[in-house]
Amino acid sequence: DVKVTQSSRYLVKRTGEKVFLECVQDMDHENMFWYRQDPGLGLRLIYFSYDVKMKEKGDIPEGYSVSREKKERFSLILESASTNQTSMYLCASSFKFHEQYFGPGTRLTVT
Amino acid sequence: AQTVTQSQPEMSVQEAETVTLSCTYDTSESDYYLFWYKQPPSRQMILVIRQEAYKQQNATENRFSVNFQKAAKSFSLKISDSQLGDAAMYFCAYRRLKGAQKLVFGQGTRLTINP
Repeated sequence: DVKVTQSSRYLVKRTGEKVFLECVQDMDHENMFWYRQDPGLGLRLIYFSYDVKMKEKGDIPEGYSVSREKKERFSLILESASTNQTSMYLCASSFKFHEQYFGPGTRLTVT
Repeated sequence: AQTVTQSQPEMSVQEAETVTLSCTYDTSESDYYLFWYKQPPSRQMILVIRQEAYKQQNATENRFSVNFQKAAKSFSLKISDSQLGDAAMYFCAYRRLKGAQKLVFGQGTRLTINP
């Protein structure tokens, strides 16, 4: 079975802190994605990567950056967390043009 | 830009009954994929069903089936013989056939199953 894991299920950070959210997949997938989920808005794409060291902006990249140094790991970075980044963050991965598999999500609260 | 709209924020159904969740989308492309994803309270999103736009036949997966109306840009999900385990958020999603593999999601529909 494909497994996508995220470093934390719940995270509480203070405004201005630098935050790292980590995602690891174990199926050698080329593509990895970070989404943000908010009530009434569904999921929105923040960034995605189709290869190591490659990244593309999604629909809402402002305030975020990403890093993909190894194929299995895709990190989302909040350089200076703000309260409007309080949300559920979902990571996903896929093999080429196949379906995306999702991680369990990280509920981030910024106070 | 492609958009996906789910106009039903919440739905409820009696156990063993049938329920239909609605989804409409907007795209100028002729070839694409449509998906229904399920997110149970534990939050792990899983794929329920997939439809290729070039296929006229509606996709089915056991108790789950879709009504794909390409001209109307409509993609509804029918759940037959509803079970308590079907309770979840359901998301409709669109993806281009080629190029960037990102999914465009609708707002979601929360489905409650009444025993």
